[in-house]
Amino acid sequence: EAQVTQNPRYLITVTGKKLTVTCSQNMNHEYMSWYRQDPGLGLRQIYYSMNVEVTDKGDVPEGYKVSRKEKRNFPLILESPSPNQTSLYFCASRSGGADTEAFFGQGTRLTVV
Amino acid sequence: DQQVKQNSPSLSVQEGRISILNCDYTNSMFDYFLWYKKYPAEGPTFLISISSIKDKNEDGRFTVFLNKSAKHLSLHIVPSQPGDSAVYFCAASEGSSGTYKYIFGTGTRLKVLA
Repeated sequence: EAQVTQNPRYLITVTGKKLTVTCSQNMNHEYMSWYRQDPGLGLRQIYYSMNVEVTDKGDVPEGYKVSRKEKRNFPLILESPSPNQTSLYFCASRSGGADTEAFFGQGTRLTVV
Repeated sequence: DQQVKQNSPSLSVQEGRISILNCDYTNSMFDYFLWYKKYPAEGPTFLISISSIKDKNEDGRFTVFLNKSAKHLSLHIVPSQPGDSAVYFCAASEGSSGTYKYIFGTGTRLKVLA
């Protein structure tokens, strides 16, 4: 089954404690991205990757890092989480250009206290 | 600056009637538009898309209309069913930029009443 898997689904952490949210896709997609969803703001792109070792900033990259060492994995790293990073996070992948549909993971609800 | 806007945060419709969800955009370079549906505790799923060379695309009960001069698109659901109750996001992309990036709207929560 084609899918994007994120872990964990829920996470409560404290300010400053480094964390990683993993994302893996089994569709051999080249393009992967991370979004955060906040009330009244919709989905905003954090980072994206067009292929292995190729990553770039989205609209809200501050406080986040990513890496793309393998095609299937695209982890999101919060080196020093802060309360304003409390949000619902989605990883997505797609096969090619903007005219191809994206497949989303089920989301990770992060709370930073 | 919100380049893609969904001005109605919520919409309620009776089962069997038409649901019309609207989306406005400001960037005239956008050339591809998509609608995604999101149920609680799930990720968004693709619903329907339209290229800027068309003004209408239909898929079963779902039709998307694009008015380029007004920079407006709409999603029509006919007939609406209770299972359509979800949050709907429109998204736009500028293929010529080469970044393959979507810009999403803020979403409209549709509630279909039985």
